[in-house]
Amino acid sequence: GQQLNQSPQSMFIQEGEDVSMNCTSSSIFNTWLWYKQDPGEGPVLLIALYKAGELTSNGRLTAQFGITRKDSFLNISASIPSDVGIYFCAGQLVGADGLTFGKGTHLIIQP
Amino acid sequence: DTEVTQTPKHLVMGMTNKKSLKCEQHMGHRAMYWYKQKAKKPPELMFVYSYEKLSINESVPSRFSPECPNSSLLNLHLHALQPEDSALYLCASSQEQSGLGIDTQYFGPGTRLTVL
Repeated sequence: GQQLNQSPQSMFIQEGEDVSMNCTSSSIFNTWLWYKQDPGEGPVLLIALYKAGELTSNGRLTAQFGITRKDSFLNISASIPSDVGIYFCAGQLVGADGLTFGKGTHLIIQP
Repeated sequence: DTEVTQTPKHLVMGMTNKKSLKCEQHMGHRAMYWYKQKAKKPPELMFVYSYEKLSINESVPSRFSPECPNSSLLNLHLHALQPEDSALYLCASSQEQSGLGIDTQYFGPGTRLTVL
C-alpha cells in the first residue's frame, strides 16, 4: 500500500526547545492530519490541513500542507513537558478510503 | 463536541470467549471506522462503515465481526481470538467517507484487549 515517510523516528530535546517533524510521500494527498497519542489513549487531532500551501496554527503548533500535496510538516515552539508523546501524520489519498498513517515521531523531553 | 466514546476501556478474554467492543458518537457523523494498533506502531484500518453499510473490510479475519446498529453506534464482535490479536482497538468517526478531503477522523480512547 501507500506509505508515508515520517521523520524523525524519535527526538530527544530540552524543555523550551522548538521541534520540527515532517512527512513525505510519492503520492498526492487531499488532506493532511496531525495527531498526538499518549500511552494507552487514542490519537487526538491537533491540526487538519485541506489545501495545498495551507499554513495553520493551533497555539504553539504550526503545520503546513506542502505545495506539491506530497508532504507536510509540524512545528512545536517552546516545548513543555506535556508535549511528550507520539505524533502521527496521516493523509487522505485522492479517491481513497480511510487514512494512511506515518510511523510516528516519539518526542521525549529531557529534564 | 468531538467526542467518540468506547467501552470497555480494558478487556481480557480467553481464546474461547465471545465478547464485543462498543463505540458511540453523537456528532452526526455518517462514517465510522475500526482500527487495530500494536504498541509503538501506527493504527491499521480494519473496517469502514458509511451510512451504516460496510464499505471496506481490509482482509480482516472472520473472528472479527463488525456491526453498525445505527448511525451513532458501532460494535466489534470478537470470537475465538488468538493471543496475537492483543492490541489497542480504536474507533473513529468522520462526517463523510467521500475521499474528497472532508473526512477528518476523530478517534475514541480505545479498548486495550488482551487475549490469553
